[in-house]
Amino acid sequence: GESVGLHLPTLSVQEGDNSIINCAYSNSASDYFIWYKQESGKGPQFIIDIRSNMDKRQGQRVTVLLNKTVKHLSLQIAATQPGDSAVYFCAENIGGYQKVTFGTGTKLQVIP
Amino acid sequence: DGGITQSPKYLFRKEGQNVTLSCEQNLNHDAMYWYRQDPGQGLRLIYYSQIVNDFQKGDIAEGYSVSREKKESFPLTVTSAQKNPTAFYLCASREQWGVGTDTQYFGPGTRLTVL
Repeated sequence: GESVGLHLPTLSVQEGDNSIINCAYSNSASDYFIWYKQESGKGPQFIIDIRSNMDKRQGQRVTVLLNKTVKHLSLQIAATQPGDSAVYFCAENIGGYQKVTFGTGTKLQVIP
Repeated sequence: DGGITQSPKYLFRKEGQNVTLSCEQNLNHDAMYWYRQDPGQGLRLIYYSQIVNDFQKGDIAEGYSVSREKKESFPLTVTSAQKNPTAFYLCASREQWGVGTDTQYFGPGTRLTVL
């Protein structure tokens, strides 16, 4: 399989528990943030996004929290399932600007 | 079935050879991107194109070339000048204009190995 998960911080969670994955972003001017999920050997898949005028956004089983004061982003996954096992990474962007900055990722391992 | 396709999934190349990676999208997106992904690192931007017949260098363009002759296609050539080409290459696209257009969507990737 794809070795994109090597040397990444790993979060191990029991199936059914909630997961919290954290991300520190770098640019205080960033106003758009995205969470991606990447399974082994596949391209990143969009999960959820949030703009800087919000501090929380909810999707199906996922919630993103944004703390602009400390430049921190988190992804909460409720009732974690084995299919959630993947590498998760955040991305930041200044709206309308072409360049997106990606984090290095966190590997989520779900223990059945 | 709309999306971004990349081919081939796996590609092997001998040192000194150029190789071209394909990226096609039928999402009618204006902007397209090429990234390189190495283990333990974030995605690094190689080239991007905002519109047909226009493209710009990203952070690690040396040893790579692109073309954008059609809206739906953005092929990447890895030349022999690229010193460490073995990596996972990801293509992405984005709708250029309008509300909610900041999200980039990715293809499945091409794994390039230099022998």
